Order: sequence, then structure tokens, then C-alpha cells
Amino acid sequence: EAQVTQNPRYLITVTGKKLTVTCSQNMNHEYMSWYRQDPGLGLRQIYYSMNVEVTDKGDVPEGYKVSRKEKRNFPLILESPSPNQTSLYFCASSFVGRNTEAFFGQGTRLTVV
Amino acid sequence: RKEVEQDPGPFNVPEGATVAFNCTYSNSASQSFFWYRQDCRKEPKLLMSVYSSGNEDGRFTAQLNRASQYISLLIRDSKLSDSATYLCVVRGGATNKLIFGTGTLLAVQP
Repeated sequence: EAQVTQNPRYLITVTGKKLTVTCSQNMNHEYMSWYRQDPGLGLRQIYYSMNVEVTDKGDVPEGYKVSRKEKRNFPLILESPSPNQTSLYFCASSFVGRNTEAFFGQGTRLTVV
Repeated sequence: RKEVEQDPGPFNVPEGATVAFNCTYSNSASQSFFWYRQDCRKEPKLLMSVYSSGNEDGRFTAQLNRASQYISLLIRDSKLSDSATYLCVVRGGATNKLIFGTGTLLAVQP
């Protein structure tokens, strides 16, 4: 089954404790990205990757890191989480192209206390 | 000004009603347009792409007006299962980036 898998689905952590949210896709997509979704602000792009070893900042990259060592994986790293990073996070992947569909993971609900 | 703007709603409609959602985008160089559906606390899923000539998929009709930078979604004969948030999405530029509106909440009442 074609899918994007994120883990964990839910996470409560404390300020400053490094964490990684994993994302994996099995559709051989070149393009992967991370979004956060907050009430009233919609989905905002954090980082994206056009292919292996190619990553770039989205609209809200501060406090986040990513890596793309393999085509299928695109982990999101929070080196020192803060309460303002409490949010619902989605990973997405697609082929590169104008009318290609983006597939989303099921989301990770992160709470930083 | 937001790059993609939608009326947040909520739209409360009875079953069987016809409802229309509108969306405007600011970047005239935008290349692709979509409607995504998002159920509460779940991931967005593609509802339909929007083409310049307009397109229909069952009870759903999407229209694009490039001159006015305006996209619409019409839902006929609303079902309870149509209750969700509808996201207007625009893609453009070399980065393949998707830009999301904040979504319009639809609640179909029995």
C-alpha cells in the first residue's frame, strides 16, 4: 500500500529535550516536506527536500532541522524544543511536477511543556 | 495579505443542500490548483485538482478563474459525510511548494 508513515503519532516532551519525528514514504517520490498546522494559521511549510541530499528552508524553519540521506526518509529534528513548537506536524511527499498529488502522513501531535 | 485566502466558515447546511466555497490567491505565477479535504485531526487528502476549463467529479465541481485569481468548489446534494474542512491549495514556482489556505469548515446537518 502506497503510504507516508510518521512516528510517533503523539508525543509529550519537556523543553530542551532533543527529539526526532520520523517520516518514510514507499512511493519513490523525489519531493518531501514538513508542515506544521496551527489554529487560524493553516498548514505552513517548515522544510522541504527536492531529492536526496537536497534540503531547503520553508516558511517557518526556525528551531528545526532535517536531513535527506535516503530517498524514502525525511526526519524532522527539534534540537531544543520550546513550547511554541507545540503543534500538529505533517510530513508529505510527491513527485516533482505541476499537477502531482501530495500524500500526507497521519500527523504527529507534539506537546512541549 | 495571505497568499491563499478562504472564508473560514463554518458553513452549516442541511443534507441535500448545495454549497459553494471560494478561494483567492495572490501570486499570478501560480501553476497548479487543488482542493484538499481534511477531517478533524487527520491528514489532508486530495479531493480534486482544478483545471482552467473547470472540472467535475460526481457531486463536486471545481472552477478556476486565472484573470481574477479565484478558485471555487461547488458541492451538490450535500451528505453528512461531506462534513470536513476544505483546503484550497496552490502550487507554483521552482520549489514545487504547496501553499495552503486556512480552510473552510463545512458541517452538514441531518
